[in-house]
Amino acid sequence: GAVVSQHPSWVICKSGTSVKIECRSLDFQATTMFWYRQFPKQSLMLMATSNEGSKATYEQGVEKDKFLINHASLTLSTLTVTSAHPEDSSFYICSATNRVGEQFFGPGTRLTVL
Amino acid sequence: SQKIEQNSEALNIQEGKTATLTCNYTNYSPAYLQWYRQDPGRGPVFLLLIRENEKEKRKERLKVTFDTTLKQSLFHITASQPADSATYLCALESNDYKLSFGAGTTVTVRA
Repeated sequence: GAVVSQHPSWVICKSGTSVKIECRSLDFQATTMFWYRQFPKQSLMLMATSNEGSKATYEQGVEKDKFLINHASLTLSTLTVTSAHPEDSSFYICSATNRVGEQFFGPGTRLTVL
Repeated sequence: SQKIEQNSEALNIQEGKTATLTCNYTNYSPAYLQWYRQDPGRGPVFLLLIRENEKEKRKERLKVTFDTTLKQSLFHITASQPADSATYLCALESNDYKLSFGAGTTVTVRA
């Protein structure tokens, strides 16, 4: 089956630093990748849509300068949380869509900002 | 405003019984409705997809119904097992593949 990986699986950083999270589709080419954020006991909230070779599309209320997305290839998208603050602490999950529209989720990255 | 509501935050049932979860939505016209399983600290895992023109779909011990008039989907786990304990999310998919998720229902199956 299709596998999506995320790296790192968890990260702890100091306030003001930037953190990069990678999302990779391991055995298929992803035409589109999505980035979600999930707070405890809440639903996944879509942050942005990432298409290879083009700028990401951000959902309303998500700061594009705060959450930088780079979709460099058909198998890799990165999310960089810039100048992270404690309120950015969350569970970040990516998903990748194949050519027939099936969507596969990564295992998530737990970000804790001290 | 758009809203997706799952009937309850938690559901506790005895092993062997059927768990029934509800997903109601307002102000959406989804192309598809999907159900996912999420274990603590993990990403969602796809279970079933049902199209707007389908009434019911089954997969092993799982059954999903979809009523676009009521704007409701029911998700059933029959002959439940402790291994079925998890949070179950419903998600509405629009034509551009974007998913909107409900908050989930956490199911606990007692042995």
